[in-house]
Amino acid sequence: NAGVTQTPKFQVLKTGQSMTLQCAQDMNHNSMYWYRQDPGMGLRLIYYSASEGTTDKGEVPNGYNVSRLNKREFSLRLESAAPSQTSVYFCASSERQGAEAFFGQGTRLTVV
Amino acid sequence: AQSVAQPEDQVNVAEGNPLTVKCTYSVSGNPYLFWYVQYPNRGLQFLLKYITGDNLVKGSYGFEAEFNKSQTSFHLKKPSALVSDSALYFCAVRVGPTGGFKTIFGAGTRLFVKA
Repeated sequence: NAGVTQTPKFQVLKTGQSMTLQCAQDMNHNSMYWYRQDPGMGLRLIYYSASEGTTDKGEVPNGYNVSRLNKREFSLRLESAAPSQTSVYFCASSERQGAEAFFGQGTRLTVV
Repeated sequence: AQSVAQPEDQVNVAEGNPLTVKCTYSVSGNPYLFWYVQYPNRGLQFLLKYITGDNLVKGSYGFEAEFNKSQTSFHLKKPSALVSDSALYFCAVRVGPTGGFKTIFGAGTRLFVKA
């Protein structure tokens, strides 16, 4: 079982560049999430999608956009990367909103 | 404000000794509480949850957690630690329903188990 798959695993961007992080889940989950993990700050919710066709802002949405492409896929876009967006990004999914989540392996992003 | 706190950045225990990783929360209504574990260069893995019922919840890898409503705590425990338990542990709480249900995470506690 693949579970939650994120691509890429590593990425280095220059300030101002754009990129899209891809996420797909094969568990038929309704809800999907994007988090960022920074040392000493735990995980902070960037955006989430409670169900297919809906997206909502989390705690730290500025500088990001998302697309729930279908039930399986939920992408995160950085339109103009900034050094403050250097972080490890995790995609997660759950059967329903607020249930236990299953996480991808993460994308380590460095913005220089 | 609704929140979850892990008061210890790091916990050190010797292999074979019992371990406790602390978590306290502040939410309105009845809490849904979770523990996750993160091994190096991996995503978080679900360990256990409390929704209702027995205050002692058993989870994966021999871990358990005790829900204490009066102390608003949900401490993670294991009777006998293994070196392989060394990892980063996160407590989390479901908040809502205003604005939809969301899960917020504590800052994490790093557990070191020494052989």
